[in-house]
Amino acid sequence: KAGVTQTPRYLIKTRGQQVTLSCSPISGHRSVSWYQQTPGQGLQFLFEYFSETQRNKGNFPGRFSGRQFSNSRSEMNVSTLELGDSALYLCASSLEFSPIAPTYNEQFFGPGTRLTVL
Amino acid sequence: AQTVTQSQPEMSVQEAETVTLSCTYDTSESDYYLFWYKQPPSRQMILVIRQEAYKQQNATENRFSVNFQKAAKSFSLKISDSQLGDAAMYFCAYRKSTYMEYGNKLVFGAGTILRVKS
Repeated sequence: KAGVTQTPRYLIKTRGQQVTLSCSPISGHRSVSWYQQTPGQGLQFLFEYFSETQRNKGNFPGRFSGRQFSNSRSEMNVSTLELGDSALYLCASSLEFSPIAPTYNEQFFGPGTRLTVL
Repeated sequence: AQTVTQSQPEMSVQEAETVTLSCTYDTSESDYYLFWYKQPPSRQMILVIRQEAYKQQNATENRFSVNFQKAAKSFSLKISDSQLGDAAMYFCAYRKSTYMEYGNKLVFGAGTILRVKS
């Protein structure tokens, strides 16, 4: 089975631009979560989507948004980029059968998208 | 809010020796999951080991084992017979157990860089 894929792997943008990152989960996985990793703030949760609905959201400004499509692929968008948005953006997918699944399902991470804002 | 603390920014171990990475966490929940993730230079996050808080028995996975002290809110990772391939950043992470309310959100510690000397 193919793993979680993220595109593009590397991206360079300038301040004020917007960017869209894509995440394709493992086939059959319906939950996709996004994380931002920076040297200063570490790994921080951005949001999670399940069946096209945002399940949970971290403490990020409204410039960070996301969505999930019917095939479970997810995109995240950052508008009006700032220098501090330079980071590795990781997505993770897991197999959830329903929003109230009581059992644990492992999250599998993608390789990340390295965003550099100049 | 839950917090995870890794007080060792960097650790070194000789090949074939044993090393222990420390992690403490803070939560008011009684049921949750704790994880150790490995992030090698490729940046691909890999799950090393998982512990359910309701289980008293410490989890083990081959050369990796944990010492889970629930009352002390401590969760350390022991790597036995260290190998060069163990060199990576190790993250301790916490997740609430009730998926319905909280989803898959992981709270990560700052990480510990593990160097393995030959």
